[in-house]
Amino acid sequence: KQEVTQIPAALSVPEGENLVLNCSFTDSAIYNLQWFRQDPGKGLTSLLLIQSSQREQTSGRLNASLDKSSGRSTLYIAASQPGDSATYLCAVRRSGTASKLTFGTGTRLQVTL
Amino acid sequence: DTEVTQTPKHLVMGMTNKKSLKCEQHMGHRAMYWYKQKAKKPPELMFVYSYEKLSINESVPSRFSPECPNSSLLNLHLHALQPEDSALYLCASSQVDMGFSYNEQFFGPGTRLTVL
Repeated sequence: KQEVTQIPAALSVPEGENLVLNCSFTDSAIYNLQWFRQDPGKGLTSLLLIQSSQREQTSGRLNASLDKSSGRSTLYIAASQPGDSATYLCAVRRSGTASKLTFGTGTRLQVTL
Repeated sequence: DTEVTQTPKHLVMGMTNKKSLKCEQHMGHRAMYWYKQKAKKPPELMFVYSYEKLSINESVPSRFSPECPNSSLLNLHLHALQPEDSALYLCASSQVDMGFSYNEQFFGPGTRLTVL
């Protein structure tokens, strides 16, 4: 059974810092991995999708990497801003025909002024 | 347009009420999902519809009844709920390739449900 863990559970950084969020999964046989952002009481916003054949994906100040063999993904946020404050979730899909995502436990990020 | 819409935004209901949650997308996605999310927890999958047919039911109690009237709409009918069913209910959708390969999921804003 796939288990997805995110460390740290919570993180507070001052504005302008670069930061890394971690996601670990126990079964390396994944099809893709998706990073989401969730603001309190709101839905999930898809940030990046990495296919198993890819090493990284970039969107603006966000860069996600994937090391499938070691069961790890990182989300790098450059020059953090208060508006980046949210909970960040990673989720893995076991195979292309698997509709189910297995979610991580989330990292709650606060960027302070 | 990468938007999934959900109505209502908030719902308060008694344990004897019958209500419905609605979800709509116009991205041409052929897979739609219902999730339940409790505070400070990740979303938990409830149901998956693929090409308007129920493909996954994660052992959800029968007081939750999903319906997919067409490829753009997804409903969740609620009846005789319990207070512990209070949660944020999220709808999502994704493309499905001809080889039944599921792609990136897009989520709606959710319905905050309170059962009294």
